[in-house]
Amino acid sequence: GAVVSQHPSRVICKSGTSVKIECRSLDFQATTMFWYRQFPKQSLMLMATSNEGSKATYEQGVEKDKFLINHASLTLSTLTVTSAHPEDSSFYICSAHAGTSGANEQFFGPGTRLTVL
Amino acid sequence: GIQVEQSPPDLILQEGANSTLRCNFSDSVNNLQWFHQNPWGQLINLFYIPSGTKQNGRLSATTVATERYSLLYISSSQTTDSGVYFCAVGAGSYQLTFGKGTKLSVIP
Repeated sequence: GAVVSQHPSRVICKSGTSVKIECRSLDFQATTMFWYRQFPKQSLMLMATSNEGSKATYEQGVEKDKFLINHASLTLSTLTVTSAHPEDSSFYICSAHAGTSGANEQFFGPGTRLTVL
Repeated sequence: GIQVEQSPPDLILQEGANSTLRCNFSDSVNNLQWFHQNPWGQLINLFYIPSGTKQNGRLSATTVATERYSLLYISSSQTTDSGVYFCAVGAGSYQLTFGKGTKLSVIP
């Protein structure tokens, strides 16, 4: 159990276009999902917390108008990178938390590698 | 925010050797997880261990919450153990803060 999927796994786009990344919890309902970014040879940095049915909470320094997050259901959160530029090229990873009492364990998707030309 | 330090940053082992990876954190936590990031970037959950000791095959982990550290033990290492090992902690909310990782290379 506790499987999280992401789509697409890899995307290449032209500068100025928008890209949508989907994160799904396949076998549990996720009241909270998280979006991370990882640059080459670096650690994961939290971008935002996505709560079902409410606005996302962004970390300091993350532009909310550039990285649009929607968590419309208990199994799906989307991250849209708007007007992407080469500096947005990175590895984007989502995670999900079941929200039940007890363990706070998070489960991670396989990631999406974004390359902006 | 909470600080997470992992050591060593790099580790090279001969196949069959044992190793210990350390994670120090700066505050009380209610979540601590160890991950292995494979070459394709996938984070594999190894342990959810905010306190106590757990074992899974050749891997085991111990968290001493009162002293704010956790250890990951890898015994009889194999080349497939190569990759980056991350420790991540959470305090209060569900958010996780990651350490910078330990890059493990197991050579035949």
